[in-house]
Amino acid sequence: DAGVIQSPRHEVTEMGQEVTLRCKPISGHDYLFWYRQTMMRGLELLIYFNNNVPIDDSGMPEDRFSAKMPNASFSTLKIQPSEPRDSAVYFCASSTNRDYYNSPLHFGNGTRLTVT
Amino acid sequence: RKEVEQDPGPFNVPEGATVAFNCTYSNSASQSFFWYRQDCRKEPKLLMSVYSSGNEDGRFTAQLNRASQYISLLIRDSKLSDSATYLCVVNPGGFKTIFGAGTRLFVKA
Repeated sequence: DAGVIQSPRHEVTEMGQEVTLRCKPISGHDYLFWYRQTMMRGLELLIYFNNNVPIDDSGMPEDRFSAKMPNASFSTLKIQPSEPRDSAVYFCASSTNRDYYNSPLHFGNGTRLTVT
Repeated sequence: RKEVEQDPGPFNVPEGATVAFNCTYSNSASQSFFWYRQDCRKEPKLLMSVYSSGNEDGRFTAQLNRASQYISLLIRDSKLSDSATYLCVVNPGGFKTIFGAGTRLFVKA
């Protein structure tokens, strides 16, 4: 079974540009998470979905960030406009309640975002 | 106070050594606990779940102390391949999974 797939792997953009990160969760997983990782702040939970519905977006830093999950196999995280402080690695992860204690979160490879 | 706190290290140990990491959490209602491992420039991966009675997986032992709100990870007979960052993970409720900042371990020959 394919794992969580994220694209792009690397993104370099200029300040003020719109950035869209994409994620395909593992088939059958009903939870999807977006995390951001930096050296200073570690892994921060931005938002998570259950059955395509946003459950907790309290970690979304500000209105410039938005996330959607139009269907069970696709999610996006959008930053508009981007700023240099948004530079980080963004991870998507998925999970299912049925196997939670054995393998709670499956992470994608991450998108390394650099905003200049 | 952070929800999950860990000593960032780094811990530098020789091969064969025993090393222990602790992690404290602030929400006493937290329901489930895990240790993840993250290699440099890679994604985090589950190392082991932490059960109330403590559990062992080969050279790795995890313990939970609910009264003091901390969990621990013990690594025996350290290998070079154990060099990584170890992340403490807590679920304060539902599926809201919170990661600690991680403890870096370097195992040297």
